[in-house]
Amino acid sequence: GQQVMQIPQYQHVQEGEDFTTYCNSSTTLSNIQWYKQRPGGHPVFLIQLVKSGEVKKQKRLTFQFGEAKKNSSLHITATQTTDVGTYFCAGPGSQGNLIFGKGTKLSVKP
Amino acid sequence: DTGVSQDPRHKITKRGQNVTFRCDPISEHNRLYWYRQTLGQGPEFLTYFQNEAQLEKSRLLSDRFSAERPKGSFSTLEIQRTEQGDSAMYLCASSSPDRGYYEQYFGPGTRLTVT
Repeated sequence: GQQVMQIPQYQHVQEGEDFTTYCNSSTTLSNIQWYKQRPGGHPVFLIQLVKSGEVKKQKRLTFQFGEAKKNSSLHITATQTTDVGTYFCAGPGSQGNLIFGKGTKLSVKP
Repeated sequence: DTGVSQDPRHKITKRGQNVTFRCDPISEHNRLYWYRQTLGQGPEFLTYFQNEAQLEKSRLLSDRFSAERPKGSFSTLEIQRTEQGDSAMYLCASSSPDRGYYEQYFGPGTRLTVT
């Protein structure tokens, strides 16, 4: 079945360092979503990417959608302690649902 | 607060008991989703409704699970004869066509522990 894979599973960085998480799909995606889940919290929508090769920025966060629409990345510049959490990518499933990756858990050492 | 709400936030039950969870979506959202999340995993889709119609169910949703959204507003998820493997966080989310159905707003979840 359709799968969405994320790497790395964990990332520990020093505050101020950059962070990148990668997402790969077994199938071509019509769109991809990114969510953030803080420790003890629930997933919160960050962004949707739709176009091949699309790049979107939100302050220190840069999101990319691959040319083949099978991969995506999230890059955070100069991490802060407020960036701590698990970042999930999610692609549309065949049932009108979202298929989530396992997420990348980011910890930031002050 | 006009976000998605879920009740209860925590539920501890004994194996074999039935449990029911409630979700109140954002009022103007016509789609409501149920997901299950276990430690170290992303949310796994269980089922979703468009208005009062249940459109899809995952193969994860065994016959012990049933969900309803009787008037197209709140929804309930019932698990009958709970098993220890049902222990998880049950998340509800809602969305609308205005913002795109994949921009989903999640509730705080109900954490179920089956002893």
